[in-house]
Amino acid sequence: GNSVTQMEGPVTLSEEAFLTINCTYTATGYPSLFWYVQYPGEGLQLLLKATKADDKGSNKGFEATYRKETTSFHLEKGSVQVSDSAVYFCALKTSYDKVIFGPGTSLSVIP
Amino acid sequence: GAVVSQHPSRVICKSGTSVKIECRSLDFQATTMFWYRQFPKQSLMLMATSNEGSKATYEQGVEKDKFLINHASLTLSTLTVTSAHPEDSSFYICSARGVDREGSYNSPLHFGNGTRLTVT
Repeated sequence: GNSVTQMEGPVTLSEEAFLTINCTYTATGYPSLFWYVQYPGEGLQLLLKATKADDKGSNKGFEATYRKETTSFHLEKGSVQVSDSAVYFCALKTSYDKVIFGPGTSLSVIP
Repeated sequence: GAVVSQHPSRVICKSGTSVKIECRSLDFQATTMFWYRQFPKQSLMLMATSNEGSKATYEQGVEKDKFLINHASLTLSTLTVTSAHPEDSSFYICSARGVDREGSYNSPLHFGNGTRLTVT
């Protein structure tokens, strides 16, 4: 079946530190991959996406590369800010448009 | 860009009452809408998929008689939690996909801001 696994949180970083949140997936076929961000008390916002192998999604300094050989889509940012504190969800979308979410990783950035 | 509006954002109700949550696509025709439930500090779990004009398809373990979904138009889907109980307290989020005015199929899915339901 389809599933998404993320590194467990919470993750606490100092401002300007490097961020990596690991994500691996299991899927039949060729899914699209996404990172969503959820700020406290809010819904989900699409952060970035990749639709095929070797695609790199990027937005607001975040980036992730679709690695088919390792079935991974790790999220990275070179220098985090306090405003990046949120929960990050890795997700895949099947051919039927069902979105399967990972468990989420909570990030706290301290000044 | 495509916008999905969800209402209300928060609702508190007494046990045994029913609550209706609306999900609207504001600038595109939502041929399909998805309803998710999120427990505190957990991920989103897909509850059901609804296609405009047809019955919703529920995921395994979701009670269709308790969570009534109606998708009567291309811009509106509703989720009604019937005879709510405290264990139904959760964060409910809808998402939608469809076709915009230019006829483009919008992807990825767009999410509403969610509804925090508290049953006392």
